Amino acid sequence: AQSVAQPEDQVNVAEGNPLTVKCTYSVSGNPYLFWYVQYPNRGLQFLLKYITGDNLVKGSYGFEAEFNKSQTSFHLKKPSALVSDSALYFCAVRAFSGTYKYIFGTGTRLKVLA
Amino acid sequence: KAGVTQTPRYLIKTRGQQVTLSCSPISGHRSVSWYQQTPGQGLQFLFEYFSETQRNKGNFPGRFSGRQFSNSRSEMNVSTLELGDSALYLCASSGGGDPYNEQFFGPGTRLTVL
Repeated sequence: AQSVAQPEDQVNVAEGNPLTVKCTYSVSGNPYLFWYVQYPNRGLQFLLKYITGDNLVKGSYGFEAEFNKSQTSFHLKKPSALVSDSALYFCAVRAFSGTYKYIFGTGTRLKVLA
Repeated sequence: KAGVTQTPRYLIKTRGQQVTLSCSPISGHRSVSWYQQTPGQGLQFLFEYFSETQRNKGNFPGRFSGRQFSNSRSEMNVSTLELGDSALYLCASSGGGDPYNEQFFGPGTRLTVL
């Protein structure tokens, strides 16, 4: 069965420090991987995605993610965190297993401290 | 381009009633997906419609149903409401044809079942 794991419910980081939000996946085929962010009382916003090719993907608001096939991971990173980055982050995977369903992780709450 | 819109934004119903939620996708998008978001369960996939046909379905009981119209607008219906149906229901649209297309989410409908 396909699954996505976000092992940390919450990540705290000081403003200006680098941040990492972790995501691992388990799929049977080649995955398409996504990161979304949700600000309070709003829907999810797309940040970035991995389809194929370069393992380092750059996205919106200075975020990037590294695809690691051997570790089946797709961690979200940013070199310097901002207080405004505080939000709920979701990792999602889409791979073929009869159909192409979206599987979302449980979310990681990022708190950037001033 | 206008974003994904959902109506109503808030609903209060009592157990046993039924409810219909509406979603208007981004113009030109043919795929509409529905999700249930709760604090305990995260984001759970309900179903996806593409060109008026249900393309994917999650693991929800038959009380949850949906449809898509020729203009790509979609409705979701929940019959015989239960307390556990209280959640934020999110609609997302995408170009639809390819599984690596990112989704664009609406602000959600917050359903409270009393």
